[in-house]
Amino acid sequence: AQSVTQLGSHVSVSEGALVLLRCNYSSSVPPYLFWYVQYPNQGLQLLLKYTSAATLVKGINGFEAEFKKSETSFHLTKPSAHMSDAAEYFCAVGGNYGGSQGNLIFGKGTKLSVKP
Amino acid sequence: DTGVSQDPRHKITKRGQNVTFRCDPISEHNRLYWYRQTLGQGPEFLTYFQNEAQLEKSRLLSDRFSAERPKGSFSTLEIQRTEQGDSAMYLCASSPQGAQFVLEQYFGPGTRLTVT
Repeated sequence: AQSVTQLGSHVSVSEGALVLLRCNYSSSVPPYLFWYVQYPNQGLQLLLKYTSAATLVKGINGFEAEFKKSETSFHLTKPSAHMSDAAEYFCAVGGNYGGSQGNLIFGKGTKLSVKP
Repeated sequence: DTGVSQDPRHKITKRGQNVTFRCDPISEHNRLYWYRQTLGQGPEFLTYFQNEAQLEKSRLLSDRFSAERPKGSFSTLEIQRTEQGDSAMYLCASSPQGAQFVLEQYFGPGTRLTVT
C-alpha cells in the first residue's frame, strides 16, 4: 500500500529564511506526488505536482520540490519565507494501484509558522 | 474561473439526525471526489465519481453514508443517524479528464460538520 510520512508536525522559520518541509513516500509503483497548502478554514490549494517528468518541480508562490527516488523523498522548499506562507502543508501520493484511479493519500500535514 | 463550491460551509446537528452536503465541481470536470478531514489529520478519501458512476468507496464510508452524482454534475453526500465521530471537515474535489491532469484535484472550501 502507498503511504506518506511528513516529518515534523510543526516547523517555525524566520521571515526571509529557507523553508524546508519534509515528505517521504512509500510506493511499489512509480508514484504521482503532490504538495497542497491549506489556510485556516479553507480547502486545499495545489502547490505543485510530480508526474515522472523533471525531478525538480516548480510550483506557485516560489515553492519547489525535488523527487529523489533513492531516498523516496519529495521535500518542499522555498528560498525565502514570507509571512503569507504561514499555513498547513500536505504531501500526497497517488497512483493507479489496486484498481484505484482517483484517490490521493495524504500525510498528516506540517504547520508552518513564520516569525517576523 | 469558478472553483469548486460546497454548501453549507458549516453545519451543526444533533446526534441521530440526518445531514446532506452539496458539492458543485468545476464545470466540465468529469471526476469528483469526497474526502473527510479530522483535526490534526490530512484528508482521507471517501468516494470517487467519474461522471455519474460511483467507481470507488473507501471502507471509511459506512452504510450510514451515501453519495450521489445524478447527472454527472453536482454531487451530494448524506450521512444518516449522525454520530459524534462524524464531526469533521468534508472536502469535495474535482479533476478534469486527460493524461496531463492525472490525479490533479481541485478542492472546495469544505463543509465543517459538528455533531452535538
